[in-house]
Amino acid sequence: GQNIDQPTEMTATEGAIVQINCTYQTSGFNGLFWYQQHAGEAPTFLSYNVLDGLEEKGRFSSFLSRSKGYSYLLLKELQMKDSASYLCAVPLRSFNKFYFGSGTKLNVKP
Amino acid sequence: ETGVTQSPTHLIKTRGQQVTLRCSSQSGHNTVSWYQQALGQGPQFIFQYYREEENGRGNFPPRFSGLQFPNYSSELNVNALELDDSALYLCASSLRLADTEAFFGQGTRLTVV
Repeated sequence: GQNIDQPTEMTATEGAIVQINCTYQTSGFNGLFWYQQHAGEAPTFLSYNVLDGLEEKGRFSSFLSRSKGYSYLLLKELQMKDSASYLCAVPLRSFNKFYFGSGTKLNVKP
Repeated sequence: ETGVTQSPTHLIKTRGQQVTLRCSSQSGHNTVSWYQQALGQGPQFIFQYYREEENGRGNFPPRFSGLQFPNYSSELNVNALELDDSALYLCASSLRLADTEAFFGQGTRLTVV
């Protein structure tokens, strides 16, 4: 089976750096995804990690450790528009069949 | 804009009724998955369709059923609605079965009263 744990809510200040952690257990590993979801909107793809290490994409970076069942999403130079839920997800045997965590609601304050 | 459109955007139904939700995938995307997202939770996988055939199902009862049409648009049908079916229903399309990136529609907010 699958299990994903991520913090329910976090608060950070505009311009700061925030790290959102995700721990997972899954039978068979096909990579780990991060999605961003603004309130009332569709989730949008942020990153996909299948190998250990850090993947950087602009202000957003994602890290994976397969041996530890651990990932984090790092957001730098926070902006007010980054206030959203961040969803950690693993594929269920194949892609576009995701098992999602409950999401971390990030509040960015001025 | 992801190019995936869902209709209607909001819907209110009475317990026991039936509902049909629709999803128009991005052009050429032959794979579509449906998810249910309760308030404050992550999306839960309902089922996936690939080239008009069901290709995997999550832990949902048979009263949740679907269709995919030759143009790859899709429907989710829910019979005998229950109050707990109130949620945001999302569809996500991908170009091919093996593609890692899926594009989500904006969802249909279903309220069962």
